[in-house]
Amino acid sequence: AQSVTQPDIHITVSEGASLELRCNYSYGATPYLFWYVQSPGQGLQLLLKYFSGDTLVQGIKGFEAEFKRSQSSFNLRKPSVHWSDAAEYFCAVGAPSNDYKLSFGAGTTVTVRA
Amino acid sequence: DAGVTQSPTHLIKTRGQHVTLRCSPISGHKSVSWYQQVLGQGPQFIFQYYEKEERGRGNFPDRFSARQFPNYSSELNVNALLLGDSALYLCASSMRQGGTEAFFGQGTRLTVV
Repeated sequence: AQSVTQPDIHITVSEGASLELRCNYSYGATPYLFWYVQSPGQGLQLLLKYFSGDTLVQGIKGFEAEFKRSQSSFNLRKPSVHWSDAAEYFCAVGAPSNDYKLSFGAGTTVTVRA
Repeated sequence: DAGVTQSPTHLIKTRGQHVTLRCSPISGHKSVSWYQQVLGQGPQFIFQYYEKEERGRGNFPDRFSARQFPNYSSELNVNALLLGDSALYLCASSMRQGGTEAFFGQGTRLTVV
């Protein structure tokens, strides 16, 4: 079974600074990987996804993520954070054999200070 | 184009009652999945339906059931509600059973008192 760990529960970053959110997954082969963002009381919005190919993935809102098989990681980055990036971020993994089931991490809350 | 729509957005139920949550997928999407998100946690997979058949089920008791209709909309039913069922219930739709991204609705906030 696949699983995801997001080591950081809460991160505070200054506006304009860079942001990196960590995600480690457990799965026996190459999984499908996703990053979602959730604003308070809202549903999930897909930021980016990795299925195969280029390990550096570009997403919406200036986010990117890099798949590193050797580290079982899929970290999310943004070079310059805006106040509107304050939200909760979830990493999710799907197994190609049954990727209808996404397994989510516990989430990382990002606070942006002026 | 309309996204995934869920109804109602909020509701309050009493312990022991039954609740039905509804989801309309994006037009052309044939797969619907349900997730439960307890406050402070990530979403947990409950069910997936594709072409009106159950294709996957998470680790939830039999009090939870679902179905998908010919128009691909879906209902999630929960019987004998417990306080612990209080959560945000998310519906996600995708074009196929697998290999594609899932689009989530805004969710239904269920409070059990």
